[in-house]
Amino acid sequence: EIVLTQSPGTLSLSPGERATLSCRASQSITSSQLAWYQQKPGQAPRLLIYGVSNRATVIPDRFSGTGSGTDFTLAISRLEPEDFAVYYCQQYGTSPYTFGQGTKLEI
Amino acid sequence: EVQLVESGGGLVQPGGSLRLSCAASGFTFSDYGMNWVRQAPGKGLEWVSYISSSSTIYYADSVKGRFTISRDNARDSLYLQMNSLKAEDTAVYYCSRRFDYWGQGTLVTVSS
Repeated sequence: EIVLTQSPGTLSLSPGERATLSCRASQSITSSQLAWYQQKPGQAPRLLIYGVSNRATVIPDRFSGTGSGTDFTLAISRLEPEDFAVYYCQQYGTSPYTFGQGTKLEI
Repeated sequence: EVQLVESGGGLVQPGGSLRLSCAASGFTFSDYGMNWVRQAPGKGLEWVSYISSSSTIYYADSVKGRFTISRDNARDSLYLQMNSLKAEDTAVYYCSRRFDYWGQGTLVTVSS
């Protein structure tokens, strides 16, 4: 099983600042099949990034994903109030399709 | 518009069974792999099971031998049969189309 470790656990920032979230895998991710999700309280997860760096439909360009192999990053260039949420990375290249434990982005 | 609507959740005693359903619309259901993902109260996301468009199936080790995923392409529906339920299966269960679209979830509570 591929274990994904996200850091930091909690990130405290202000609107307008840049956020950098990390996801490290216990082994190399197959075919760049790494995704990022945003989840707000009481809501289903929303796909932000797939294939490491591809933004999903209607995701604003302030969200960007980079990385390869075992180290991946989600960056949010200028935080908007609606960006404060929990973010998860996930690998979907090898079963079981594991998630990281999440990073809470708080004001 | 893609829509996924889960149903079938509820309160069940340990050792009991429950069948979840996911009704899909807005896309050609038979063309897509589908997943079940769960989230225990206050916890993170846990992938449960996957079924491909050609019915290749995978399970998480935590549910293997107890849960069965299936699909009915004629009814545009995904199912999860859950047997021998444990307290640790308590969670909101989401169905997801290839992880790009998600339903709103259905709560399963396993308690005596």
